[in-house]
Amino acid sequence: NAGVTQTPKFQVLKTGQSMTLQCAQDMNHEYMSWYRQDPGMGLRLIHYSVGAGITDQGEVPNGYNVSRSTTEDFPLRLLSAAPSQTSVYFCASTQWGDYGYTFGSGTRLTVV
Amino acid sequence: TQLLEQSPQFLSIQEGENLTVYCNSSSVFSSLQWYRQEPGEGPVLLVTVVTGGEVKKLKRLTFQFGDARKDSSLHITAAQPGDTGLYLCAGVRNNNDMRFGAGTRLTVKP
Repeated sequence: NAGVTQTPKFQVLKTGQSMTLQCAQDMNHEYMSWYRQDPGMGLRLIHYSVGAGITDQGEVPNGYNVSRSTTEDFPLRLLSAAPSQTSVYFCASTQWGDYGYTFGSGTRLTVV
Repeated sequence: TQLLEQSPQFLSIQEGENLTVYCNSSSVFSSLQWYRQEPGEGPVLLVTVVTGGEVKKLKRLTFQFGDARKDSSLHITAAQPGDTGLYLCAGVRNNNDMRFGAGTRLTVKP
């Protein structure tokens, strides 16, 4: 099992550009989430999904879109990148929230 | 304001010492999880506690969930340099919305 796979690992964007961060899991997990990690602030929840076709907003959703067309994939879209979106992004999945999440290795995004 | 407050933010100790990290909130959680994160990697789950008052042990690590399910602690006995890392607590609310504390960065010196 590969677990949770995130691509790309590193990305540099110019302000105003759009891009999609990919996340795929092969564990047949129902729940998937996106977090961003900034120094001194821990991980903040952007969007999450409790199953295919169902998504919801977390605490910092502005500027990001998600969709969940399959159980395996949960892409995160940046609509118009801003320097404030410079961060490390983590995707995570679990079969049930109380079981604990498996995290990907992260995408380090820099917006200049 | 963080939903979960972790303390201390930084901790530097000598090998062999004991330590306790705290995770506090005013919210009630269906479960509370502890993760450890190494530089350049994603967090790795250490333990999940779901019952108020629950105590779980993982070798030299002891985790406790508060009776009211609002707080938790992590105690490490005889810390080793391999315990160095960022320790994160995370609380799950009933809609599977999981929020993290800011973390405790632990350094154990040989």
